[in-house]
Parts: sequence; C-alpha cells; structure tokens
Amino acid sequence: EAEVAQSPRYKITEKSQAVAFWCDPISGHATLYWYRQILGQGPELLVQFQDESVVDDSQLPKDRFSAERLKGVDSTLKIQPAELGDSAMYLCASSFSRGETQYFGPGTRLLVL
Amino acid sequence: DQQVKQNSPSLSVQEGRISILNCDYTNSMFDYFLWYKKYPAEGPTFLISISSIKDKNEDGRFTVFLNKSAKHLSLHIVPSQPGDSAVYFCAANEMNDYKLSFGAGTTVTVRA
Repeated sequence: EAEVAQSPRYKITEKSQAVAFWCDPISGHATLYWYRQILGQGPELLVQFQDESVVDDSQLPKDRFSAERLKGVDSTLKIQPAELGDSAMYLCASSFSRGETQYFGPGTRLLVL
Repeated sequence: DQQVKQNSPSLSVQEGRISILNCDYTNSMFDYFLWYKKYPAEGPTFLISISSIKDKNEDGRFTVFLNKSAKHLSLHIVPSQPGDSAVYFCAANEMNDYKLSFGAGTTVTVRA
C-alpha cells in the first residue's frame, strides 16, 4: 500500500539552529500539505501545495519557516532559526487533488532545546 | 479560534460495548466532515467521512452521525475492540476551501 514518507522521524536541535524536514507524498498525488501538531492539540495546516505552487501559506510563520516543492513531487519544510516553541510533531499529508481525502505520513517529532 | 471542538479529551470503554465520540463545530460553512484515528508515533489515518447532505454514514463497525442544526457530529464504534484504542480527531472543511480544521482529539481506551 502506498504511503507518505517523512524523514527524519525524530530531531533534537538547539534553539537558533536550522532544521529541515523532508516529505515524499504518495505517487500521483498533486496536493501536499504540511501540518504542525502541538501536544494536546489537533494538527494545524502550515502550507498547502498544488503541484509545485503554494496555494495556502497563511498560517506559515514566514519570518522563520519556508517550504518548497520544486518539482511538484517531494517537499522540504525548513525552520531557521528554531525556537523553543517550535517543538511539535510536523506532519506531511497528500491527496490526489484538492478536496480528496488526505493521507498522512508518520510525522517528524521536533524537540528544540 | 477553535472552530472544531472535541470536549472530551478521553473515553474509556469496555471491549464489546459501544464507543461514542462527540464533536461540535462553530463554522456554519463547513460542509464536509471527517474522522481520523491516530496511534502513537504514527500519522493520522483516515477513518470515515460524511457530507453535509447526509445525516448518517456507516462503514462496518463505524458510523458517523451529523446534526447540522446543532452543529454536532458523533462517531459510534460498535463493538469496540482493543485495537480501537487510539486518539480520534474530528476534522471539517468548507466546500472549495480544502483546508481541514481539526479538533484537539479524544483518546479512546478499550478495556479488556
């Protein structure tokens, strides 16, 4: 069964350092999403891509976060510099197209010290 | 502003009995609702969904009920099994705006 892949699964970093997360969506899925889940809360959308274009990044803290999906396939989410409040689970999801069911990867758990 | 609320953070149920999870929403423009299940160290897995044109959708042991006038939906699991122990998230989106809004989740524990 096709799955969304994410790496790394766990990341520990010190504040002010840069971190990057990678996501490979299910093959053929045009829409890719990055979510942040803080412990005890539901996932919150950070950015949404349709192919290589950003269609919604209204919740992305653009002073420190960036995301790209250069070839419309895999994607990278970067934080620079990381802050203590960035400690969370970062989830990637994909769907065949906008409005279709979203399938999630296992996530990257980030701890900022 | 939390548009989707799951007011019960946890639920404990005996194996074989019914689990009922509740979800309330405030945005009257929401027209599609989903439930996701999440095990520890894994991402959420799609479970079941319902469109606003329906009031019930059933898939095996899982049934979702939607009450639009009350802005309330519920997930029934019958019978509950030990493998159902997980965190369940309610989510919703508006037509033509595919951003999902999630609730905070309900942790279900099925006791043997």
